[in-house]
Amino acid sequence: DTEVTQTPKHLVMGMTNKKSLKCEQHMGHRAMYWYKQKAKKPPELMFVYSYEKLSINESVPSRFSPECPNSSLLNLHLHALQPEDSALYLCASSQEGRVETQYFGPGTRLLVL
Amino acid sequence: GESVGLHLPTLSVQEGDNSIINCAYSNSASDYFIWYKQESGKGPQFIIDIRSNMDKRQGQRVTVLLNKTVKHLSLQIAATQPGDSAVYFCAEDAGGTSYGKLTFGQGTILTVHP
Repeated sequence: DTEVTQTPKHLVMGMTNKKSLKCEQHMGHRAMYWYKQKAKKPPELMFVYSYEKLSINESVPSRFSPECPNSSLLNLHLHALQPEDSALYLCASSQEGRVETQYFGPGTRLLVL
Repeated sequence: GESVGLHLPTLSVQEGDNSIINCAYSNSASDYFIWYKQESGKGPQFIIDIRSNMDKRQGQRVTVLLNKTVKHLSLQIAATQPGDSAVYFCAEDAGGTSYGKLTFGQGTILTVHP
């Protein structure tokens, strides 16, 4: 089973709202990732968690706040977003966060009004 | 930063033909490469990978070739089917202090005509 699940599938929020994206995997992977993908562009890395610790933050604005409650769960808390933050947010996981395959979820389509 | 790019942004083939999607990379330190397929409205799906100590790797109907001399990666799909229509991304992992940091190419849109 190489399934990564993400909820919600779609999210519409205003610029003053607070919302959270959730990601879950049950493959025993110890590394989890958040990517942002704009239309017709490749995914861009935002954050990497390895063994539940943040190991990479690609200079993401503080209005995006990641959280890894345990090795199976990854959240992305959203606050005071801008319309340009509208995108597909992808979660991925891999064995340990080393040089290895990352498996992606279906994504959350976010629209900021 | 380092970049991974593709020579052809779109590729149109007939069903049953073989397809070749190319990718150029610029980071000579990259030691792991992955091809992903992304269908409309879905996340990227792993197709095949290759490490830098290999030149060729085969899967079911797919082959990846790595030419480190010219920093070139290609994905060959045999007997292409309409279900292969998607955007294909190459991605590289430079390893070292950038463990887990995948850099994606711009993508190639593959369209397969019945």
